[in-house]
Amino acid sequence: AQSVTQPDIHITVSEGASLELRCNYSYGATPYLFWYVQSPGQGLQLLLKYFSGDTLVQGIKGFEAEFKRSQSSFNLRKPSVHWSDAAEYFCAVGPGTGANNLFFGTGTRLTVIP
Amino acid sequence: SQTIHQWPATLVQPVGSPLSLECTVEGTSNPNLYWYRQAAGRGLQLLFYSVGIGQISSEVPQNLSASRPQDRQFILSSKKLLLSDSGFYLCAWSSGRVVDTQYFGPGTRLTVL
Repeated sequence: AQSVTQPDIHITVSEGASLELRCNYSYGATPYLFWYVQSPGQGLQLLLKYFSGDTLVQGIKGFEAEFKRSQSSFNLRKPSVHWSDAAEYFCAVGPGTGANNLFFGTGTRLTVIP
Repeated sequence: SQTIHQWPATLVQPVGSPLSLECTVEGTSNPNLYWYRQAAGRGLQLLFYSVGIGQISSEVPQNLSASRPQDRQFILSSKKLLLSDSGFYLCAWSSGRVVDTQYFGPGTRLTVL
């Protein structure tokens, strides 16, 4: 069965520091992986995705993620965090059963200290 | 470009009252449509998805139902709300391809009192 684990519920970093958010997945076939960001009270915005090819993918807002099949991981990184990056981040794997369904992790809330 | 709308943005309803949340997509045809619920401190739970008009698949048994009366319209309903129906409801769409990105609407905050 498909599942996604985000082991860090809450992370606090200082502005300008580097960031890594962890994501581990369980999937029976080639995974399709996504990172979304959600600001309070808002919908989800796609940061980046991995379907195939280069295992290091670049996204919007200076984020990148690396797919490591051997570790079943798809960690999100940013070299220098900005205060506006404070939000909740969700990792997802798909497709699941049916029409391109996604399985989401429980999210990691990022707090940025000035 | 494609856009997705949800309304209302917020809703406060008493227990036992009916519910109707609407989602519409513009700029695409025959999309796959999805309803998710996000409870406080939890991830997203897929409730329903639809691959076409009148075609609804339910992922979890619950007090809710969904309908797709038009190609780009997806409605989430309940006849009698429960306290446990409170949450943030998100609609999403994707193309009909087997593997594609889901794009989310702004969400509806439902509070059942």
